[in-house]
Amino acid sequence: DAGVTQSPTHLIKTRGQHVTLRCSPISGHKSVSWYQQVLGQGPQFIFQYYEKEERGRGNFPDRFSARQFPNYSSELNVNALLLGDSALYLCASSLDGRGGETQYFGPGTRLLVL
Amino acid sequence: AQTVTQSQPEMSVQEAETVTLSCTYDTSESNYYLFWYKQPPSRQMILVIRQEAYKQQNATENRFSVNFQKAAKSFSLKISDSQLGDTAMYFCAFMKRSEGAQKLVFGQGTRLTINP
Repeated sequence: DAGVTQSPTHLIKTRGQHVTLRCSPISGHKSVSWYQQVLGQGPQFIFQYYEKEERGRGNFPDRFSARQFPNYSSELNVNALLLGDSALYLCASSLDGRGGETQYFGPGTRLLVL
Repeated sequence: AQTVTQSQPEMSVQEAETVTLSCTYDTSESNYYLFWYKQPPSRQMILVIRQEAYKQQNATENRFSVNFQKAAKSFSLKISDSQLGDTAMYFCAFMKRSEGAQKLVFGQGTRLTINP
C-alpha cells in the first residue's frame, strides 16, 4: 500500500507570495495533520483535519489555512510568505484522528522563501 | 501546555553497541501516549515505538525498547546491537488522550550516528 504522499517535493518562493502544499493520506485514513519543521528543530503542529472539519490548530498566524477534501486529501495554504516560513512541511495521516493513534508521516515539502 | 525535552543534541556510537537516548516531558495529564520517531537523512519520519501511559509494561520492537518511568516523566529509548541504518535524527513525542486535536508535541531531537 502507498504511504502518505506530498507534493511538491521542493518549492522556492519569494516574500509576499502564496503557496499551496498538497497531501494524500494512506488509503482508509480519514485524518490529516500538518506540521512545520524548521531546520534543526522538532516539528510543530499546525492543523488537524478529520472528515473535512478542522479539529485543531496550533499557534500559527491566520496566513496559514488548510482544508480537507471528500477523498481525505488535504491542502495547506500559506499567504504573504515571510522568510521565516522556510521549513520542511510534513503531512501525517491517521485512521480516525482519535487520541493515541499513530500518525504516519509523508516525505515532506521543503519550502524556501527568498 | 505539554513540553518534551531531549537533552542530548548529538550522540555517536560504534556499530553493534547499545545506545540509550533520553527524553523527559512535562504534563498534568494522566492519560497520554509517548512515541519515538526516527528521521533518517532522507527525511521521512518513521515510527519507532509507541507507549501507552496507562500500561506499566515497557514497549519493545525488536532491537528497540523503552524505559518508561511515569512518576519521573521519563521515556528513554534503548537501541541494542546498533546498525549503520540506525543513523538518523530521533524525536521523542507526546500526545494527550482527550477530545479535540490529537497533536504530537515533539522534542528538539537527538542526532545519532552509528560508526562502522
